[in-house]
Amino acid sequence: DAKTTQPTSMDCAEGRAANLPCNHSTISGNEYVYWYRQIHSQGPQYIIHGLKNNETNEMASLIITEDRKSSTLILPHATLRDTAVYYCIASGGTSYGKLTFGQGTILTVHP
Amino acid sequence: EPEVTQTPSHQVTQMGQEVILRCVPISNHLYFYWYRQILGQKVEFLVSFYNNEISEKSEIFDDQFSVERPDGSNFTLKIRSTKLEDSAMYFCASTSGEGAGTGELFFGEGSRLTVL
Repeated sequence: DAKTTQPTSMDCAEGRAANLPCNHSTISGNEYVYWYRQIHSQGPQYIIHGLKNNETNEMASLIITEDRKSSTLILPHATLRDTAVYYCIASGGTSYGKLTFGQGTILTVHP
Repeated sequence: EPEVTQTPSHQVTQMGQEVILRCVPISNHLYFYWYRQILGQKVEFLVSFYNNEISEKSEIFDDQFSVERPDGSNFTLKIRSTKLEDSAMYFCASTSGEGAGTGELFFGEGSRLTVL
């Protein structure tokens, strides 16, 4: 898996959009960008993934730059329950489901 | 919504004992995984399992560890001769493997193993 770099921590006000950046400058053509989050010590929760195009689902939006070297996860209206560690992972090819988790970004949503 | 279930939620064992952690993956999923997270550290891949055999394993997954799918629903992780450093949260995960990008894993809530 390509190495990813994320800020250690970020803050966001409740109700505002949370924009979490990720750098993956060495990502290869067949690697997807995945976002997971982990609330306290619970199991990681899948959020969204993409290859080249921007993606949106009921949880979040994923914006991938044209050169695919970075991406941004957007939580459009953050709530207190979105406080978690967010992981950006580049994975694909033959590593079927083998995800390399980094330290992630600790997102704290404030009232 | 279907979910991955794990038992026990917490197990305390003496060093040197064997433990079995159990998982029931989502019913139509074909790929199964074990990950672990030592307190305060990263989530680490241990092993992937497909078609009744190990697909890939990490350096952590040595002879002390084994996995099994004894029936059509359970997926187990056995740890022999437990050591203090095996204390961690162990997460089971599964995926259908369908569709583009097969990294959409569904994780269980974890089994916390404490070795004394």
